[in-house]
Amino acid sequence: AQSVAQPEDQVNVAEGNPLTVKCTYSVSGNPYLFWYVQYPNRGLQFLLKYITGDNLVKGSYGFEAEFNKSQTSFHLKKPSALVSDSALYFCAVRDGTASKLTFGTGTRLQVTL
Amino acid sequence: GAGVSQSPSNKVTEKGKDVELRCDPISGHTALYWYRQSLGQGLEFLIYFQGNSAPDKSGLPSDRFSAERTGGSVSTLTIQRTQQEDSAVYLCASSLSRGPTDTQYFGPGTRLTVL
Repeated sequence: AQSVAQPEDQVNVAEGNPLTVKCTYSVSGNPYLFWYVQYPNRGLQFLLKYITGDNLVKGSYGFEAEFNKSQTSFHLKKPSALVSDSALYFCAVRDGTASKLTFGTGTRLQVTL
Repeated sequence: GAGVSQSPSNKVTEKGKDVELRCDPISGHTALYWYRQSLGQGLEFLIYFQGNSAPDKSGLPSDRFSAERTGGSVSTLTIQRTQQEDSAVYLCASSLSRGPTDTQYFGPGTRLTVL
């Protein structure tokens, strides 16, 4: 079985400040981890993924995520937040055998001026 | 290039009626997925197609739900005798293959409202 936890329903950050959106996971085999973003009335947009190798993954729009195997975490980060980053962020996981993605409950990011 | 497209974008129906939702995956993608996004349940997997293999229907919530994929491309999700709890956004995704590292690309979704 695979599962994802996003412990924060909402994260508030001022524009220009660094942001972190937290994600922890549980899988029985090797984890394959994904971050998606959803803007209002839109589908999910792929940001980045961790497959293997370097623990720091860089993605779209200046986002990056750090894979930490010992803490089973895959937190999303950005050095300097923009108001346009305000959206709903989903972490997802799958293992080597599952076809489906298992999603977290989502974290709403609110960036203010 | 063209992404995943879904139609209709919005569907309002009365309880007990049947509805069909359509998904057109990215050209060349062999794997196609349906998910449902609702307030109470978050994002749930419904069904998965890979090429000519038998679909993985493990996520379908009841036998009122069915899906088919014709010619390895377009897919239709059918909900029979709709209930109010079926109200949700239905998302379709496709990926190049079924590999666990392949990225799933999502369409804009169909918002279903059952009155």
